[in-house]
Amino acid sequence: NAGVTQTPKFQVLKTGQSMTLQCAQDMNHNSMYWYRQDPGMGLRLIYYSASEGTTDKGEVPNGYNVSRLNKREFSLRLESAAPSQTSVYFCASSEFSSLAGPETQYFGPGTRLLVL
Amino acid sequence: GEDVEQSLFLSVREGDSSVINCTYTDSSSTYLYWYKQEPGAGLQLLTYIFSNMDMKQDQRLTVLLNKKDKHLSLRIADTQTGDSAIYFCAESMGSGNTGKLIFGQGTTLQVKP
Repeated sequence: NAGVTQTPKFQVLKTGQSMTLQCAQDMNHNSMYWYRQDPGMGLRLIYYSASEGTTDKGEVPNGYNVSRLNKREFSLRLESAAPSQTSVYFCASSEFSSLAGPETQYFGPGTRLLVL
Repeated sequence: GEDVEQSLFLSVREGDSSVINCTYTDSSSTYLYWYKQEPGAGLQLLTYIFSNMDMKQDQRLTVLLNKKDKHLSLRIADTQTGDSAIYFCAESMGSGNTGKLIFGQGTTLQVKP
């Protein structure tokens, strides 16, 4: 099992350009998440998807859109990149159950994005 | 709203114990978590504690939970250079377990030989 994979690993964009960050998981998880990580601010949730066909906003959704293409894939799109979106982006997945048990989120290796 | 706070940096000598502290605001969180991030990698779950427990021990790791003060700590005994990483505490977002987590800012642990 590859776990959670993300592409690309690195990307440089100019202000106003668009791009899509790809994420896939092979653990048959229902829930998937997109976070951004900035120095001194920890991880902040951008969007999440509790199941195939559903998405919802997290803490910092402005400037982003997401697509839950199928159970495996969850993409994050920047329509018009801004320097404030320079960050490291992490995708995660989990088999969340409200019945019992801890929430273990499995993270991808991250995409480092620089917007000039 | 929910918030999780951690100090940003801790430096210890190899062989010493490390204690990383965290405070949180949502008293309804069922589980509290510690994640570890090694350089250039994503986060990995290190350990967790159920909210009705005061302590959990797992080999070199001890988690202490003080629900009254909403304080969580992670103690690493006999800290090794391989323990150098960023450690994040996290709690569930919203009342009860929703599947979403709120992470603290992360504590960078530096272990000096």
